[in-house]
Amino acid sequence: RKEVEQDPGPFNVPEGATVAFNCTYSNSASQSFFWYRQDCRKEPKLLMSVYSSGNEDGRFTAQLNRASQYISLLIRDSKLSDSATYLCVVNRLYNFNKFYFGSGTKLNVKP
Amino acid sequence: AAGVIQSPRHLIKEKRETATLKCYPIPRHDTVYWYQQGPGQDPQFLISFYEKMQSDKGSIPDRFSAQQFSDYHSELNMSSLELGDSALYFCASSSRVANTGELFFGEGSRLTVL
Repeated sequence: RKEVEQDPGPFNVPEGATVAFNCTYSNSASQSFFWYRQDCRKEPKLLMSVYSSGNEDGRFTAQLNRASQYISLLIRDSKLSDSATYLCVVNRLYNFNKFYFGSGTKLNVKP
Repeated sequence: AAGVIQSPRHLIKEKRETATLKCYPIPRHDTVYWYQQGPGQDPQFLISFYEKMQSDKGSIPDRFSAQQFSDYHSELNMSSLELGDSALYFCASSSRVANTGELFFGEGSRLTVL
């Protein structure tokens, strides 16, 4: 079983839709949480860090639920340019500062 | 701001040949990671270095080796290349003392083994 589980999708949504991704992690010792965006054949880029209090950046909202060990990403008013794979990433600083990746959720935003 | 620099960006090799990938992490980042990403897969962790010492090892084949040098750049050496080694290889760096501690990726080196 992977340390970080994500629904691979694809999520096919029309422009303007709201879409949510969830991710679960298995190790309660995990300390830092991130959503990365990866475009085809490009490197992953940090979209948002995820905090227990929740955080918002424009159309993007991330939430962390430590008790249930899941992380969510909400995208409002989807744009065509949001089409990408979204990777859930979890860090354990005290395990060699290791990062654990979900398999990614593919989002296709259609006109 | 300086990013993670990888070279070469593209590499074509024959089976059984050797390849070397280079990575220059972000200045003052103390940890360097190597990942392999095949088509449709998430990045698979190969190996990491903390302050120039190997800190963790993942699914790195015995045919591969890596090291980090005194100037903090790292090299991934791959020998006896196989068709299945064709992939994107990412180097990433991170700082344990940074406020958010996220991982920064280079643009990747695309290896094609023919």
